[in-house]
Amino acid sequence: QSALTQPPSVSGSPGQSVAISCTGSSSDVGSYNRVSWYQQPPGTAPKLMIYEVNNRPSGVPDRFSGSKSGNTASLTISGLQAEDEADYYCNSYTSSSTYVFGTGTKVTVL
Amino acid sequence: EVLLVESGGELVQPGGSLRLSCAASGFTFSSLWMHWVRQGPGKGLEWVSRINSDGSITNYADSVQGRFTISRDNAKNTLFLHMNSLTVEDTAVYYCARGESGRYHFQHWGQGTLVIVSS
Repeated sequence: QSALTQPPSVSGSPGQSVAISCTGSSSDVGSYNRVSWYQQPPGTAPKLMIYEVNNRPSGVPDRFSGSKSGNTASLTISGLQAEDEADYYCNSYTSSSTYVFGTGTKVTVL
Repeated sequence: EVLLVESGGELVQPGGSLRLSCAASGFTFSSLWMHWVRQGPGKGLEWVSRINSDGSITNYADSVQGRFTISRDNAKNTLFLHMNSLTVEDTAVYYCARGESGRYHFQHWGQGTLVIVSS
């Protein structure tokens, strides 16, 4: 099972919007609405930001939103803030009853 | 409060074995799937394995299939990962994560335990 493909890095100024893509296949992202996104600042455990493509857990700011089209999911951060600087990973359930993470994207706030 | 505490990580030689534990509290452990996820130094997250609530169903990533075994003791609220034939590529922080009932994401994570495979 190959990792889902994410851009290595994205950046934006405070207040801007950034989008992170997550490309998989018809065996994972394309087959299920079981895509989730995780934020991981350096040296910490991952934190769930989005589940089932576009749902936010309690406590996650509504600046974070998710979507999916075909085999590609996306995470958008609107109104970028300094505290959003971290690594972000997508994850999908697969047709093999396993899970696969994305390659990870470093978000830099300029 | 949901709490997951991993332990058992240490330095081990290539070809060796190790057992990781994850002590759970703050929820009904015996009713939920549990997972192991790892992260190599400077690398991304990699899903490793999962086990269903009563231990009758397990799944593994291809990279560990046949070498790692996931298990659980619901009486002691503890998740395990038995690792055999370890290689340097298994060096990582190993996190346990809680599955969510009927869902496919990981809302609760432990702090991780470090496994170093080196001679």
